[in-house]
Amino acid sequence: GAVVSQHPSRVICKSGTSVKIECRSLDFQATTMFWYRQFPKKSLMLMATSNEGSKATYEQGVEKDKFLINHASLTLSTLTVTSAHPEDSSFYICSAGGLAGVADEQYFGPGTRLTVT
Amino acid sequence: KQEVTQIPAALSVPEGENLVLNCSFTDSAIYNLQWFRQDPGKGLTSLLLIQSSQREQTSGRLNASLDKSSGRSTLYIAASQPGDSATYLCAVGNYGQNFVFGPGTRLSVLP
Repeated sequence: GAVVSQHPSRVICKSGTSVKIECRSLDFQATTMFWYRQFPKKSLMLMATSNEGSKATYEQGVEKDKFLINHASLTLSTLTVTSAHPEDSSFYICSAGGLAGVADEQYFGPGTRLTVT
Repeated sequence: KQEVTQIPAALSVPEGENLVLNCSFTDSAIYNLQWFRQDPGKGLTSLLLIQSSQREQTSGRLNASLDKSSGRSTLYIAASQPGDSATYLCAVGNYGQNFVFGPGTRLSVLP
């Protein structure tokens, strides 16, 4: 099956710094990648839809200037948490596959646990 | 707006029992529904995907059913094992949107 990787799997950073998370589709080309965030003991919430070569579409309530998303190629999307604060500590998961607006099967990455101290 | 709920929130059973996890959604106009497993601190593992035209899907000891008209899906796990302990999430795919996840059911299978 299709494989999606994320790097890093865990990261600890100091408040005020920026952190970049990579999402790669290893054996297929994904025109669209999705970023989700999971708060402790809560379900996943879609943050944004990342389209290759164009600007990401953010969900309501998600600050686009804080969570920068770049989808530079058909196999790579990055999420940069800028000026991170402790409340940004969370589990971030990406998925790839399907077309924006069409809920086809998505292949999920293993997730990145961000801790901001 | 689609809302997804899962019952129970947590479940503890002895090894060997058959069990059912429930997922309900408010808008029946769905594209598909997917069940995932999540181990603590880990990402998601897709278990079963049911298209809107299907009634059920089976994989090994797992069987997922879908009743769109009533807005419900169930995940049946046969002969549960301690290795099945995890959080199970259902996610509903809507036309024109992406997945909406339920809050999950935390399953513990006791040896």
